Amino acid sequence: NAGVMQNPRHLVRRRGQEARLRCSPMKGHSHVYWYRQLPEEGLKFMVYLQKENIIDESGMPKERFSAEFPKEGPSILRIQQVVRGDSAAYFCASSQEPGSAGYTFGSGTRLTVV
Amino acid sequence: GDSVTQMEGPVTLSEEAFLTINCTYTATGYPSLFWYVQYPGEGLQLLLKATKADDKGSNKGFEATYRKETTSFHLEKGSVQVSDSAVYFCALDSNYQLIWGAGTKLIIKP
Repeated sequence: NAGVMQNPRHLVRRRGQEARLRCSPMKGHSHVYWYRQLPEEGLKFMVYLQKENIIDESGMPKERFSAEFPKEGPSILRIQQVVRGDSAAYFCASSQEPGSAGYTFGSGTRLTVV
Repeated sequence: GDSVTQMEGPVTLSEEAFLTINCTYTATGYPSLFWYVQYPGEGLQLLLKATKADDKGSNKGFEATYRKETTSFHLEKGSVQVSDSAVYFCALDSNYQLIWGAGTKLIIKP
């Protein structure tokens, strides 16, 4: 069992480019959660998805950010027209049932916008 | 809304010292409580958890007791090692999402 796989580990984008972050949940997990960690801060919830459905996106910025979890393939967090303030670590977690008690986290993607 | 407050860091200790990292929370109901650890340049690892009042979570010599009366979940270890240097996060379960403290950086000097 490979655990939660996130890629890339590090991503550098110029201002205005698009960033795509991928998360493959653990085998058997159909619930995926994305969190953002700004420098020197704790994590903030962004979005919760089940296969093909967004359950809660209350933590997503209103513009430029989107997430999906298709029937096949990994969950994708997309950031369009990145700005320096998007530089952060983005963590994905998955669970077999809804709820954070059963979370397994990935190693994160560190996005740097230059 | 629900929130978690941790003591500010960095906390600097000598090897074999006693460690306490304070964590208090505000929540409706009685959420599960967690401590996560983040080593430099790495992801998040669950260190321990407690699901109800008076439960004690423990792992790798670390302990924390869920105190309903003081709404606290302080992390303790009797004798720290250099390898314990990391950032420690307290968190609570709010339905399906975790609410996080800001993290406490721990530095252990030999």
